[in-house]
Amino acid sequence: EIVMTQSPATLSVSPGERATLSCWASQSLSGDLAWYQQKPGQAPRLLIYGASTRATGVPPRFSGGGSGTDFTLTISSLQSEDFAVYYCHQYHAWPITFGQGTRLEIK
Amino acid sequence: DVPLLESGGGLVQPGGSLRLSCAASGFTFSSYAMAWVRQAPGRGLQWISSISNNADATSNADSVKGRFTISRDNSWNMLYLQMNSLRPEDSAMYYCVRRQTSRGGAFEIWGQGTMVTVSS
Repeated sequence: EIVMTQSPATLSVSPGERATLSCWASQSLSGDLAWYQQKPGQAPRLLIYGASTRATGVPPRFSGGGSGTDFTLTISSLQSEDFAVYYCHQYHAWPITFGQGTRLEIK
Repeated sequence: DVPLLESGGGLVQPGGSLRLSCAASGFTFSSYAMAWVRQAPGRGLQWISSISNNADATSNADSVKGRFTISRDNSWNMLYLQMNSLRPEDSAMYYCVRRQTSRGGAFEIWGQGTMVTVSS
């Protein structure tokens, strides 16, 4: 099983600042990595797939990077609606696995 | 129009069964692989089961193998999850998810979920 590890568990950032979230995989993913945003009481929403491609309707302040086993999600200038929990997800191999999540909170 | 609408959740006793349904609309259901993902209260996301577009391939998490069965009816645009031998640790919100392609990809569209509680 590919283990996904996210860091940090909680990130406190002020509105307007940049946030960088990290995700590591225990094996190479060949780019089969996605990021999701989840707000309280809502279903997750796909932000990034293929490690760096924004999903339809996702603002350009969200960007994904990395390859192999090391990946990042960067939010360039945080808006109030961006404070949420973010999950990385590998769909490269069975079983499909998720990271444990990073909570992005207002500083 | 809600693309994915789950139903069938509820309270069930340990050892009992439930069948979750997911009605798809607004897209060509038979062209996409589908999946179920669950989330226990206050916890992270856990993939449960996937099925290819024409149901010729399925895969399940070890935690539900032999107890849960995923299926689909492309004539009716429906996805199902038959859950047997339920345990308290199966209590969670269950999401129906559309994948990006006929065989896999990221989880592109999510339903709003249906809650399953396993308790005596």
